Amino acid sequence: GENVEQHPSTLSVQEGDSAVIKCTYSDSASNYFPWYKQELGKRPQLIIDIRSNVGEKKDQRIAVTLNKTAKHFSLHITETHPEDSAVYFCAASSRGSTLGRLYFGRGTQLTVWP
Amino acid sequence: NAGVTQTPKFQVLKTGQSMTLQCAQDMNHEYMSWYRQDPGMGLRLIHYSVGAGITDQGEVPNGYNVSRSTTEDFPLRLLSAAPSQTSVYFCASSYEGGGANVLTFGAGSRLTVL
Repeated sequence: GENVEQHPSTLSVQEGDSAVIKCTYSDSASNYFPWYKQELGKRPQLIIDIRSNVGEKKDQRIAVTLNKTAKHFSLHITETHPEDSAVYFCAASSRGSTLGRLYFGRGTQLTVWP
Repeated sequence: NAGVTQTPKFQVLKTGQSMTLQCAQDMNHEYMSWYRQDPGMGLRLIHYSVGAGITDQGEVPNGYNVSRSTTEDFPLRLLSAAPSQTSVYFCASSYEGGGANVLTFGAGSRLTVL
């Protein structure tokens, strides 16, 4: 099955700096790559996603890039705020025999210091 | 729409007891899944379903049972609780739109097994 690895496990940045979280995946059939944000005590929520036919997607201060050849994708957060502090999860899924499942990375605890 | 509703929010069990975590969604989503979240381990898939009457195992299915008799409901049963099942459990529902498996999570159920 798919194996998603996520780095780093913890990340601390100063307010206003950028943060980058990287993920790799193993299954070349994977074609959908979402990112979820989980605030303390809350449920994970989708913040951005990318499909395999696109190399980059941006939504205000967050962007995701995908390199299908190298099988890795990254989340970029610019001009960070303390409210961006949370755990971020990357995930991957594919059609076919694993229809309906998402494979998650282990998460990155992002702390933004004021 | 209520989205994904999980009950109970908190539960304490003794080793060997059985219980059912309830999950219901009102979005007419095809797919439903159960994840457990443990510190440093991310979200691990327990069981999932791609439609009424169809279920399959995820990464960590042992000790859990599921059924999907309706599109709306996907209960998770702990047959004989063990301390290793102490965790936060998330139910999620999803649809596949254009190759994107977009998950909506419930609020979570925190289970402690003594």
